[in-house]
Amino acid sequence: QLVLTQSPSASASLGASVKLTCTLSSGHSSYAIAWHQQQPAKGPRYLMKINNDGTHNKGDGIPDRFSGSSSGAERYLTISSLQSEDEADYYCQTWDTGIHVVFGGGTKLTVL
Amino acid sequence: EVQLVESGGGLVQPGGSLRLSCAASGFTFSSYSMNWVRQAPGKGLEWVSYISSSSSNTYYADSVKGRFTISRDNAKNSLSLQMNSLRAEDTAVYYCARDYGGDGYFFDYWGQGYLVTVSS
Repeated sequence: QLVLTQSPSASASLGASVKLTCTLSSGHSSYAIAWHQQQPAKGPRYLMKINNDGTHNKGDGIPDRFSGSSSGAERYLTISSLQSEDEADYYCQTWDTGIHVVFGGGTKLTVL
Repeated sequence: EVQLVESGGGLVQPGGSLRLSCAASGFTFSSYSMNWVRQAPGKGLEWVSYISSSSSNTYYADSVKGRFTISRDNAKNSLSLQMNSLRAEDTAVYYCARDYGGDGYFFDYWGQGYLVTVSS
């Protein structure tokens, strides 16, 4: 069964960098995933799609401070030069055969 | 600029029906598959339904299969979700989301969402 695992919370200081992790379940390590950001009381916003080779396709207008990478079954979102507006929930998402779309549980990022 | 604007939500009693709409603009609507995704209060995101660009293919999450129907009108740049036999657990903010158009099923634009509350 395809499952995406995310840590419930993360924190980092203003101006620092943070790396969020999304882990694919066993047998699914080759899957691409997408990262979505959800600021408080807003709809989600697509950040990027990350392939298993680490290549990624960013959404329109996404700053260079946001980058993606991959290692094995893990997909990463790195945010550098953290700003207050980066405080949000971050969800990873992928899909399986039969159009089984899966979201991770989300990581709540706090900017200190 | 791509815009997706949902409407039609509100309060409905258990067992009742509601129809959500999503008005699309800023892109060639008829070229993209579309989706509905929902988020229960304080919870994460849950995919609900998918429709291909020509309406030839539709898919549903098991939790709504047989109760919800997705449709679209490409002439009006509009996406809809007909929700019947509503349950308390269907209470959520419902988002329409555009399929990004590449391989796989990912969402590259989202609406602002509309709250559906199922309660007596």
